[in-house]
Amino acid sequence: KNQVEQSPQSLIILEGKNCTLQCNYTVSPFSNLRWYKQDTGRGPVSLTIMTFSENTKSNGRYTATLDADTKQSSLHITASQLSDSASYICVVTTSSSGTYKYIFGTGTRLKVLA
Amino acid sequence: EAGVVQSPRYKIIEKKQPVAFWCNPISGHNTLYWYLQNLGQGPELLIRYENEEAVDDSQLPKDRFSAERLKGVDSTLKIQPAELGDSAVYLCASSPGLKTGELFFGEGSRLTVL
Repeated sequence: KNQVEQSPQSLIILEGKNCTLQCNYTVSPFSNLRWYKQDTGRGPVSLTIMTFSENTKSNGRYTATLDADTKQSSLHITASQLSDSASYICVVTTSSSGTYKYIFGTGTRLKVLA
Repeated sequence: EAGVVQSPRYKIIEKKQPVAFWCNPISGHNTLYWYLQNLGQGPELLIRYENEEAVDDSQLPKDRFSAERLKGVDSTLKIQPAELGDSAVYLCASSPGLKTGELFFGEGSRLTVL
């Protein structure tokens, strides 16, 4: 069964600190993996996309990694800011027979405190 | 360029009443999705359209939910009659239809059934 699991479920950190969010998936065949940020009361917004051949990709203070062998991805946030408080959702795209589907994780809720 | 527009943002109804949500996708995006998101969970697909054709509605509870996408642009999701368990956020998303295409989400419609 195609699944995406994220950890931790929730996280509280102080402003300025770093944190790492984890995503493990059992999705086959794998097409790509995206991290989305969802602010409270808003729709998710894409942060990064990782394809099979990519190990690391940065977007400002956000750095995503992908280990296709172990089927794990991480999202590292550097020097956190209050505006980083949100849910972060890992989404894996799978394709077969010419169609594709998005498999969503349940998200990690991050709270950054002043 | 305008993003995905949804309305209403909030709706409170009593059980057994009907409710409808409207979505206007990004111009040129052929693929449109309706997702259901419960609190603290990732989005769950209800229905996916390619232009005006519903290509994946396997998760849509057809006894009470219906959707349409006339002329392959705007879409409406209807619930009749609503039940207490339907309280959730209904997200609309669109994509250019490419295999690695990013999902662009609307702000969501939050439904509360009393």
